[in-house]
Amino acid sequence: AQSVTQLDSQVPVFEEAPVELRCNYSSSVSVYLFWYVQYPNQGLQLLLKYLSGSTLVESINGFEAEFNKSQTSFHLRKPSVHISDTAEYFCAALTGANNLFFGTGTRLTVIP
Amino acid sequence: DTAVSQTPKYLVTQMGNDKSIKCEQNLGHDTMYWYKQDSKKFLKIMFSYNNKELIINETVPNRFSPKSPDKAHLNLHINSLELGDSAVYFCASSQNGINYGYTFGSGTRLTVV
Repeated sequence: AQSVTQLDSQVPVFEEAPVELRCNYSSSVSVYLFWYVQYPNQGLQLLLKYLSGSTLVESINGFEAEFNKSQTSFHLRKPSVHISDTAEYFCAALTGANNLFFGTGTRLTVIP
Repeated sequence: DTAVSQTPKYLVTQMGNDKSIKCEQNLGHDTMYWYKQDSKKFLKIMFSYNNKELIINETVPNRFSPKSPDKAHLNLHINSLELGDSAVYFCASSQNGINYGYTFGSGTRLTVV
């Protein structure tokens, strides 16, 4: 069974508009959740993570994600996107084997 | 200083060849991983390894073998390369416990022709 689901494979959005990238996780994984970003032709960089405590976590570049246990979601949001945010975004969760399981990714394209 | 470094960055080779990809981490982490990213960007774990245990994803063909000369290195050796092995391979490392997440290398793009 899929542990992490990203329903949107591509999300186009105009510059300075808000964006939400959706991520849902199954109850079979832990609630240690992560968002990674992959810029073109680069490796993966950790954007933010939820381990415990406050359900709202923030990154240094304006992204935030909220852990919602009742909806089993960890959606990523940004109130105003920039051209440089164009990238592939991956939601991930730690499995019981302590491995990082990734969703299928969402391609965010910011349109000038 | 690069935290997790992979070499080579690009690798083009013919079917049937044997090749290796090297990975080194200078973070002092005790667990290392290999992930495969296919043409659709899907990331799939291949191996995880620390100095005590190698965990292999059962779907990985036995033509793929990780080799760890020491705690800071986890190389990936591939025998009898096939067209379907073409992908980007990422090395990663983590410290025991989950507070730090994983640190990824920049990837090796393997093209089998």
